[in-house]
Amino acid sequence: GEDVEQSLFLSVREGDSSVINCTYTDSSSTYLYWYKQEPGAGLQLLTYIFSNMDMKQDQRLTVLLNKKDKHLSLRIADTQTGDSAIYFCAESITGTYKYIFGTGTRLKVLA
Amino acid sequence: GAGVSQTPSNKVTEKGKYVELRCDPISGHTALYWYRQSLGQGPEFLIYFQGTGAADDSGLPNDRFFAVRPEGSVSTLKIQRTERGDSAVYLCASSLWDRDYNEQFFGPGTRLTVL
Repeated sequence: GEDVEQSLFLSVREGDSSVINCTYTDSSSTYLYWYKQEPGAGLQLLTYIFSNMDMKQDQRLTVLLNKKDKHLSLRIADTQTGDSAIYFCAESITGTYKYIFGTGTRLKVLA
Repeated sequence: GAGVSQTPSNKVTEKGKYVELRCDPISGHTALYWYRQSLGQGPEFLIYFQGTGAADDSGLPNDRFFAVRPEGSVSTLKIQRTERGDSAVYLCASSLWDRDYNEQFFGPGTRLTVL
């Protein structure tokens, strides 16, 4: 079945690293994505990783994928107040084009 | 260039009424998707168009929901006999046709409130 789970809340201090976790159940996923949603704005793609990769780094963002445990994480280095938002992981399933989204993690960055 | 746009941004209606929600995708994107996001949840897939045809409508909750894309560009999501449980943010996304990677670009959504 298709199910993507995330913890609901994360609070960090400005300058610290944030790690947002996601678990998924469908082993046939092809790509995994991280989206950011700010109040009143659409979903913004932050980064993605292909399912045959273990890690991807993009400036302050590092994505780790553990296929054996079906675990995905997003690390934000030097977290800023502007990073406060809801973060969604999503998977796309081989042979389909729909995304399965997680429940979202609300990140709050304290000054 | 312009991103995905959706109108209206907010829609308040009464139970039992009919509503239409519009999506203008990014020019040149052949694939278009509708999702529904309830409060505190992630977006849930409703329907996917490739060109003018609905390639996958498996997420539509029941036959009160219908979507069209007559010319392969603008799409309209139609909800008949609205119920309070239909209240949510309806998101539209578009992407280039790409069998291996289909980054979906999302619009800001339409917040539907059924009283």
